[in-house]
Amino acid sequence: EPEVTQTPSHQVTQMGQEVILRCVPISNHLYFYWYRQILGQKVEFLVSFYNNEISEKSEIFDDQFSVERPDGSNFTLKIRSTKLEDSAMYFCASREDVGQPQHFGDGTRLSIL
Amino acid sequence: QQQVKQSPQSLIVQKGGISIINCAYENTAFDYFPWYQQFPGKGPALLIAIRPDVSEKKEGRFTISFNKSAKQFSLHIMDSQPGDSATYFCAASMGDKLSFGAGTTVTVRA
Repeated sequence: EPEVTQTPSHQVTQMGQEVILRCVPISNHLYFYWYRQILGQKVEFLVSFYNNEISEKSEIFDDQFSVERPDGSNFTLKIRSTKLEDSAMYFCASREDVGQPQHFGDGTRLSIL
Repeated sequence: QQQVKQSPQSLIVQKGGISIINCAYENTAFDYFPWYQQFPGKGPALLIAIRPDVSEKKEGRFTISFNKSAKQFSLHIMDSQPGDSATYFCAASMGDKLSFGAGTTVTVRA
């Protein structure tokens, strides 16, 4: 069964550094998402992306965050200047079309030191 | 704003028993209510989902009950098995984003 693939599985970064989290959505999917889950808390929506532009973003997704689909297969989340509070599990998700379910990757654990 | 409230935080059930997880939502514009199952080290995996025009949906041992007037929905796991031990999240959406509940850790004792 096709799946969403995320790399790396664990990223350790110094505070203030830039980090890029990578995702390969399911190949025929058109809608892409990033969520995060701080340890012990609920999964929170960050951003949705369709047709090469952001369609919705949460208040968490401030100017330090950006997303990009640099080619036909990858979908990335960049955090420009990481803070301690950015430490979390970041999940990528994709779906084929409106009305279809979102499929999640296994996440990248981001640890900011 | 806590849009989806989930309870209990955790539950323990004996093998063969019934696990029941409840969720309540605030936004009446939500039109899609999925449940996700998450094992340690893995991402959430869609288990079952329902839309508000249906009061119940059953897939195997998993059943969603939906009460639109009360703005509540619940997951029932029948004949619980040790392999069902996981964290379960309810969610709700209108359009793109999913709003998740806080999660329920289910432990099935053999």
